[in-house]
Amino acid sequence: AAGVIQSPRHLIKEKRETATLKCYPIPRHDTVYWYQQGPGQDPQFLISFYEKMQSDKGSIPDRFSAQQFSDYHSELNMSSLELGDSALYFCASSLGRSVPGELFFGEGSRLTVL
Amino acid sequence: AQSVTQPDIHITVSEGASLELRCNYSYGATPYLFWYVQSPGQGLQLLLKYFSGDTLVQGIKGFEAEFKRSQSSFNLRKPSVHWSDAAEYFCAVGPNDYKLSFGAGTTVTVRA
Repeated sequence: AAGVIQSPRHLIKEKRETATLKCYPIPRHDTVYWYQQGPGQDPQFLISFYEKMQSDKGSIPDRFSAQQFSDYHSELNMSSLELGDSALYFCASSLGRSVPGELFFGEGSRLTVL
Repeated sequence: AQSVTQPDIHITVSEGASLELRCNYSYGATPYLFWYVQSPGQGLQLLLKYFSGDTLVQGIKGFEAEFKRSQSSFNLRKPSVHWSDAAEYFCAVGPNDYKLSFGAGTTVTVRA
């Protein structure tokens, strides 16, 4: 069965550079969530989208932005990168609110900022 | 504010032995409670969830968890551990199914 696809799996950037992470949800899933997991830390909810509109916002820095496109894939844009942005970024998808708790996570994109 | 405490950072268990992972939560209302498992380099996989109803919840891979409101706990159990259960386990609480507060995680090592 198709899962949540995230790209790239690994990304290395320098401080003050920009990075873009992509998330392709499970087919027919209309809701996407982004999480950040720092080294040795638990995942933190960043932002979510439902039907291409931002549906909720968590602890996402102002330097980050995200959007969901017409094909439901989502991109997380991170600018002015800082060392502290080095983390594993997870994307998850679900089919609206039809089955609460049924979030399917991708394998994550590991960002390293040097 | 919501928070989760997983008191055990690391647990080692023999294959075939039982496993119990502790989770205590702080939440002002009836919470949504979850257990997720994460293998190295992998995403989170939902093991089980509790919203309401029967306080003993069955999940995938033979796991179960019991919600005890009086103790603010949601401990995860498995009667007989398999080597493939070696992973990191996260307990999570939230007002819904995505805006979660995760615990620090418990790493489970399974010895032969």
